[in-house]
Amino acid sequence: DAKTTQPNSMESNEEEPVHLPCNHSTISGTDYIHWYRQLPSQGPEYVIHGLTSNVNNRMASLAIAEDRKSSTLILHRATLRDAAVYYCILFNQAGTALIFGKGTTLSVSS
Amino acid sequence: ETGVTQTPRHLVMGMTNKKSLKCEQHLGHNAMYWYKQSAKKPLELMFVYSLEERVENNSVPSRFSPECPNSSHLFLHLHTLQPEDSALYLCASSQPPSRGSNEKLFFGSGTQLSVL
Repeated sequence: DAKTTQPNSMESNEEEPVHLPCNHSTISGTDYIHWYRQLPSQGPEYVIHGLTSNVNNRMASLAIAEDRKSSTLILHRATLRDAAVYYCILFNQAGTALIFGKGTTLSVSS
Repeated sequence: ETGVTQTPRHLVMGMTNKKSLKCEQHLGHNAMYWYKQSAKKPLELMFVYSLEERVENNSVPSRFSPECPNSSHLFLHLHTLQPEDSALYLCASSQPPSRGSNEKLFFGSGTQLSVL
């Protein structure tokens, strides 16, 4: 499986935008980029995913570099409830399941 | 509420006990998964079932025995566990990956297992 690299931790203030980076230099043409987050004492939850084009949904935006070797999850206005571990995962249809890495622990201060 | 329910939420067992973890989904999904999350470690994939058939067993010791009687239910039978098996056990479901699609996982809240 192609691997991803994320910073161990990031900090943000409430109401400010947050940009969570992910490097995936060995990504293949059929790999989708998935983002999940895990709040304390809960299972992970889906945030967003994309292949080549930037994606937006009610939770976040996903910006994918033109060469697809990196991507950025954007939370437009962080809230205290966004404090979680954020996972960037590559997945293609040849695989059977998502393989999680260590993720980025996001702290949000008021 | 994600539509995936795990019971019990917490379980304490001795090394000689036999117990089972249960997972139930009412999302109409055909694939179910067991993941293990030890303290301070990434999630580890344990088992994958697609259309009630096991499609992946990720080198998991035989003291963990999965069962998928139908597409809505998944069990993890535990016996003769070790203290290092203490962890959060997470169940997830999805539609199986298929050509042209890219389904997302829905996780339960997990069972926090402590082995004494």
